[in-house]
Amino acid sequence: DAKTTQPPSMDCAEGRAANLPCNHSTISGNEYVYWYRQIHSQGPQYIIHGLKNNETNEMASLIITEDRKSSTLILPHATLRDTAVYYCIVSRASAGGTSYGKLTFGQGTILTVHP
Amino acid sequence: SAVISQKPSRDICQRGTSLTIQCQVDSQVTMMFWYRQQPGQSLTLIATANQGSEATYESGFVIDKFPISRPNLTFSTLTVSNMSPEDSSIYLCSTGSGANVLTFGAGSRLTVL
Repeated sequence: DAKTTQPPSMDCAEGRAANLPCNHSTISGNEYVYWYRQIHSQGPQYIIHGLKNNETNEMASLIITEDRKSSTLILPHATLRDTAVYYCIVSRASAGGTSYGKLTFGQGTILTVHP
Repeated sequence: SAVISQKPSRDICQRGTSLTIQCQVDSQVTMMFWYRQQPGQSLTLIATANQGSEATYESGFVIDKFPISRPNLTFSTLTVSNMSPEDSSIYLCSTGSGANVLTFGAGSRLTVL
């Protein structure tokens, strides 16, 4: 799987949008971009994933550049409960395939949302 | 998505002993995954457990150290054998609902003295 690069930490004011960048310049055509987060003392939580189109769900939006070499996770209105480590992961997505379940977690970005 | 329960949530063990971690899923799932998170580190996949077959271990992990059982479609166990302080970690169970959208348990925090 392609390697990702994320800033080690970011701050955000409560109520503002949090924009978390991720570089994945070696991503291949069949690899998706996944975002997970891990709140302190909990297991990782899936947020969103995408291949090349922008995606939005109830938690966040994912913006992937046209060349797919980078992406941004957007939390539109950050709250204190969004303070967590955010992981950007690149992986193939085929259920039951050899990469199924094999997520390579990097060090992630520690997002701190402050009042 | 599936709900995963792990037991114990935390434990303190003596070196040389073994501990079995249980993972219960609220629905039938084909594959379950065991991850390790060492202190201050990110997660690393230990093995994949498919019901009815031997677990598949990742590089650096062996069955003698981390035996896994998968007796049915809702349950799995991971045993950490002959523990040393280097085994102090959080062990997490997970499963997926397609693609690589995984659900994780809260983890079992193990401290080895």
